[in-house]
Amino acid sequence: GQQVMQIPQYQHVQEGEDFTTYCNSSTTLSNIQWYKQRPGGHPVFLIQLVKSGEVKKQKRLTFQFGEAKKNSSLHITATQTTDVGTYFCAVTGGGNKLTFGTGTQLKVEL
Amino acid sequence: NAGVTQTPKFQVLKTGQSMTLQCAQDMNHNSMYWYRQDPGMGLRLIYYSASEGTTDKGEVPNGYNVSRLNKREFSLRLESAAPSQTSVYFCATSRVNTEAFFGQGTRLTVV
Repeated sequence: GQQVMQIPQYQHVQEGEDFTTYCNSSTTLSNIQWYKQRPGGHPVFLIQLVKSGEVKKQKRLTFQFGEAKKNSSLHITATQTTDVGTYFCAVTGGGNKLTFGTGTQLKVEL
Repeated sequence: NAGVTQTPKFQVLKTGQSMTLQCAQDMNHNSMYWYRQDPGMGLRLIYYSASEGTTDKGEVPNGYNVSRLNKREFSLRLESAAPSQTSVYFCATSRVNTEAFFGQGTRLTVV
Protein backbone atom coordinates (compact mmCIF):
# COMPACT_ATOMS: atom_id res chain seq x y z
CA GLY A 1 0.00 0.00 0.00
CA GLN A 2 0.95 3.61 -0.21
CA GLN A 3 3.39 4.74 2.43
CA VAL A 4 4.84 8.07 3.29
CA MET A 5 7.94 8.69 5.35
CA GLN A 6 7.83 11.81 7.49
CA ILE A 7 10.85 13.54 9.03
CA PRO A 8 11.92 14.60 11.53
CA GLN A 9 10.10 12.67 14.24
CA TYR A 10 10.66 15.43 16.82
CA GLN A 11 11.67 19.06 16.67
CA HIS A 12 12.34 21.45 19.54
CA VAL A 13 12.62 25.12 18.61
CA GLN A 14 12.85 28.42 20.41
CA GLU A 15 9.87 30.66 19.92
CA GLY A 16 10.47 32.78 16.84
CA GLU A 17 12.54 30.15 15.02
CA ASP A 18 11.31 28.49 11.85
CA PHE A 19 10.20 24.87 11.54
CA THR A 20 9.89 22.49 8.62
CA THR A 21 8.57 18.95 8.32
CA TYR A 22 8.87 16.78 5.22
CA CYS A 23 6.92 13.89 3.72
CA ASN A 24 8.37 11.62 1.08
CA SER A 25 6.81 8.88 -1.00
CA SER A 26 8.36 6.34 -3.37
CA THR A 27 5.30 6.58 -5.62
CA THR A 28 3.53 9.46 -7.30
CA LEU A 29 0.73 10.83 -5.18
CA SER A 30 -2.66 12.04 -6.39
CA ASN A 31 -2.82 14.50 -3.53
CA ILE A 32 -1.47 15.10 -0.06
CA GLN A 33 -3.16 16.45 3.02
CA TRP A 34 -1.76 18.01 6.18
CA TYR A 35 -3.22 17.77 9.68
CA LYS A 36 -2.37 19.19 13.09
CA GLN A 37 -3.01 17.43 16.37
CA ARG A 38 -2.74 19.39 19.61
CA PRO A 39 -1.63 17.45 22.72
CA GLY A 40 -4.57 15.41 23.98
CA GLY A 41 -6.68 16.31 20.95
CA HIS A 42 -7.68 14.83 17.65
CA PRO A 43 -6.20 15.52 14.20
CA VAL A 44 -7.58 18.59 12.47
CA PHE A 45 -7.31 19.16 8.73
CA LEU A 46 -5.09 22.03 7.59
CA ILE A 47 -4.87 21.81 3.81
CA GLN A 48 -4.88 19.63 0.71
CA LEU A 49 -2.42 19.92 -2.19
CA VAL A 50 -3.27 18.47 -5.56
CA LYS A 51 -1.19 20.07 -8.31
CA SER A 52 2.45 19.47 -9.14
CA GLY A 53 4.63 22.22 -7.64
CA GLU A 54 1.70 23.72 -5.75
CA VAL A 55 2.43 26.19 -2.97
CA LYS A 56 -0.24 27.34 -0.52
CA LYS A 57 0.02 29.67 2.45
CA GLN A 58 -2.01 30.04 5.59
CA LYS A 59 -0.67 32.97 7.60
CA ARG A 60 2.74 31.74 8.86
CA LEU A 61 2.33 28.25 7.38
CA THR A 62 3.58 27.43 3.87
CA PHE A 63 2.75 24.13 2.21
CA GLN A 64 4.51 22.78 -0.87
CA PHE A 65 3.89 19.83 -3.16
CA GLY A 66 6.90 18.61 -5.15
CA GLU A 67 7.13 18.84 -8.89
CA ALA A 68 7.12 15.05 -9.18
CA LYS A 69 4.26 14.79 -6.65
CA LYS A 70 6.36 12.48 -4.49
CA ASN A 71 7.15 14.83 -1.64
CA SER A 72 5.69 17.67 0.34
CA SER A 73 6.70 20.05 3.08
CA LEU A 74 5.13 22.22 5.74
CA HIS A 75 7.09 25.26 6.85
CA ILE A 76 6.18 27.45 9.80
CA THR A 77 7.78 30.89 9.97
CA ALA A 78 8.52 32.41 13.38
CA THR A 79 6.97 29.70 15.53
CA GLN A 80 4.70 30.56 18.43
CA THR A 81 3.67 28.50 21.45
CA THR A 82 0.30 27.99 19.78
CA ASP A 83 2.06 25.95 17.07
CA VAL A 84 2.85 23.17 19.54
CA GLY A 85 1.50 19.81 18.45
CA THR A 86 2.08 16.98 16.03
CA TYR A 87 1.88 17.58 12.30
CA PHE A 88 0.88 14.75 9.99
CA CYS A 89 0.81 14.35 6.26
CA ALA A 90 -1.74 11.95 4.77
CA VAL A 91 -2.29 10.42 1.35
CA THR A 92 -5.32 8.93 -0.33
CA GLY A 93 -5.12 5.57 -2.08
CA GLY A 94 -7.54 3.29 -3.86
CA GLY A 95 -10.99 3.05 -2.34
CA ASN A 96 -10.40 6.40 -0.63
CA LYS A 97 -8.01 4.69 1.79
CA LEU A 98 -6.42 7.46 3.87
CA THR A 99 -2.93 6.70 5.18
CA PHE A 100 -1.00 8.95 7.55
CA GLY A 101 2.68 9.60 7.94
CA THR A 102 4.30 9.01 11.32
CA GLY A 103 4.05 12.68 12.24
CA THR A 104 6.47 15.35 13.48
CA GLN A 105 6.06 16.46 17.07
CA LEU A 106 6.85 20.14 17.48
CA LYS A 107 7.74 21.66 20.83
CA VAL A 108 8.22 25.39 21.15
CA GLU A 109 10.21 26.83 24.05
CA LEU A 110 9.97 30.41 25.25
CA ASN B 1 -24.55 19.13 14.15
CA ALA B 2 -22.41 16.80 16.21
CA GLY B 3 -20.02 15.85 13.35
CA VAL B 4 -18.30 12.61 14.35
CA THR B 5 -19.26 11.08 17.69
CA GLN B 6 -17.32 8.28 19.35
CA THR B 7 -18.39 6.31 22.38
CA PRO B 8 -17.12 5.61 24.94
CA LYS B 9 -14.45 8.24 25.60
CA PHE B 10 -12.57 6.06 28.09
CA GLN B 11 -12.58 2.33 28.75
CA VAL B 12 -10.60 -0.10 30.86
CA LEU B 13 -10.82 -3.77 29.93
CA LYS B 14 -9.36 -6.91 31.37
CA THR B 15 -7.39 -9.18 29.07
CA GLY B 16 -9.77 -11.44 27.18
CA GLN B 17 -12.82 -9.20 27.51
CA SER B 18 -14.66 -7.99 24.44
CA MET B 19 -16.07 -4.60 23.59
CA THR B 20 -17.38 -2.52 20.71
CA LEU B 21 -16.33 1.04 19.98
CA GLN B 22 -19.09 3.05 18.36
CA CYS B 23 -18.76 5.79 15.77
CA ALA B 24 -21.57 7.82 14.26
CA GLN B 25 -21.46 10.72 11.82
CA ASP B 26 -24.08 13.19 10.68
CA MET B 27 -22.03 14.62 7.80
CA ASN B 28 -23.46 12.35 5.10
CA HIS B 29 -19.96 11.12 4.20
CA ASN B 30 -19.47 7.85 2.38
CA SER B 31 -16.05 6.93 3.77
CA MET B 32 -15.34 6.03 7.38
CA TYR B 33 -12.12 4.95 9.09
CA TRP B 34 -10.78 3.50 12.30
CA TYR B 35 -7.24 4.39 13.43
CA ARG B 36 -5.20 3.60 16.47
CA GLN B 37 -2.56 5.95 17.83
CA ASP B 38 0.35 4.84 19.96
CA PRO B 39 3.20 7.10 21.11
CA GLY B 40 5.71 7.60 18.30
CA MET B 41 3.69 5.44 15.88
CA GLY B 42 1.47 8.03 14.31
CA LEU B 43 -2.02 7.09 13.16
CA ARG B 44 -2.26 3.54 11.92
CA LEU B 45 -5.26 2.50 9.87
CA ILE B 46 -7.11 -0.52 11.26
CA TYR B 47 -10.10 -0.78 8.89
CA TYR B 48 -11.91 1.52 6.55
CA SER B 49 -15.19 1.59 4.68
CA ALA B 50 -15.39 3.37 1.35
CA SER B 51 -19.17 3.23 1.36
CA GLU B 52 -22.10 1.60 3.07
CA GLY B 53 -21.86 -2.17 2.73
CA THR B 54 -18.10 -2.35 2.15
CA THR B 55 -15.18 -2.71 4.54
CA ASP B 56 -11.47 -3.22 3.91
CA LYS B 57 -8.44 -3.98 6.02
CA GLY B 58 -5.90 -1.31 6.76
CA GLU B 59 -2.36 -1.66 8.08
CA VAL B 60 -3.11 -3.31 11.44
CA PRO B 61 -6.41 -5.26 11.27
CA ASN B 62 -5.44 -8.29 13.37
CA GLY B 63 -7.52 -8.62 16.53
CA TYR B 64 -10.30 -6.36 15.27
CA ASN B 65 -13.55 -6.62 13.37
CA VAL B 66 -15.75 -3.88 11.98
CA SER B 67 -19.34 -3.38 10.93
CA ARG B 68 -20.67 -0.66 8.67
CA LEU B 69 -24.18 -0.76 10.00
CA ASN B 70 -25.49 1.97 7.72
CA LYS B 71 -24.16 5.15 6.18
CA ARG B 72 -23.95 6.88 9.57
CA GLU B 73 -22.42 4.20 11.77
CA PHE B 74 -19.13 2.28 11.74
CA SER B 75 -18.27 0.15 14.76
CA LEU B 76 -15.00 -1.48 15.81
CA ARG B 77 -15.05 -4.69 17.84
CA LEU B 78 -12.34 -6.25 19.96
CA GLU B 79 -13.32 -9.88 20.49
CA SER B 80 -10.62 -10.76 23.02
CA ALA B 81 -8.73 -7.72 24.22
CA ALA B 82 -4.97 -7.91 24.72
CA PRO B 83 -2.62 -5.44 26.46
CA SER B 84 -1.08 -4.69 23.04
CA GLN B 85 -4.41 -3.12 22.08
CA THR B 86 -4.02 -0.42 24.70
CA SER B 87 -4.17 2.72 22.58
CA VAL B 88 -6.16 5.76 21.58
CA TYR B 89 -8.69 4.92 18.88
CA PHE B 90 -9.97 7.50 16.43
CA CYS B 91 -12.85 7.28 14.02
CA ALA B 92 -12.85 9.56 10.98
CA THR B 93 -15.08 10.28 7.99
CA SER B 94 -14.62 11.91 4.62
CA ARG B 95 -15.93 12.34 1.13
CA VAL B 96 -13.76 11.09 -1.73
CA ASN B 97 -10.33 12.75 -1.82
CA THR B 98 -11.29 15.47 0.61
CA GLU B 99 -10.52 16.34 4.20
CA ALA B 100 -11.21 13.86 6.96
CA PHE B 101 -13.07 14.78 10.13
CA PHE B 102 -12.16 13.03 13.35
CA GLY B 103 -14.02 12.08 16.47
CA GLN B 104 -12.68 12.95 19.92
CA GLY B 105 -11.10 9.53 20.39
CA THR B 106 -11.52 6.59 22.74
CA ARG B 107 -8.76 5.98 25.27
CA LEU B 108 -8.63 2.23 25.84
CA THR B 109 -6.53 0.48 28.46
CA VAL B 110 -6.29 -3.30 28.58
CA VAL B 111 -4.93 -4.69 31.84
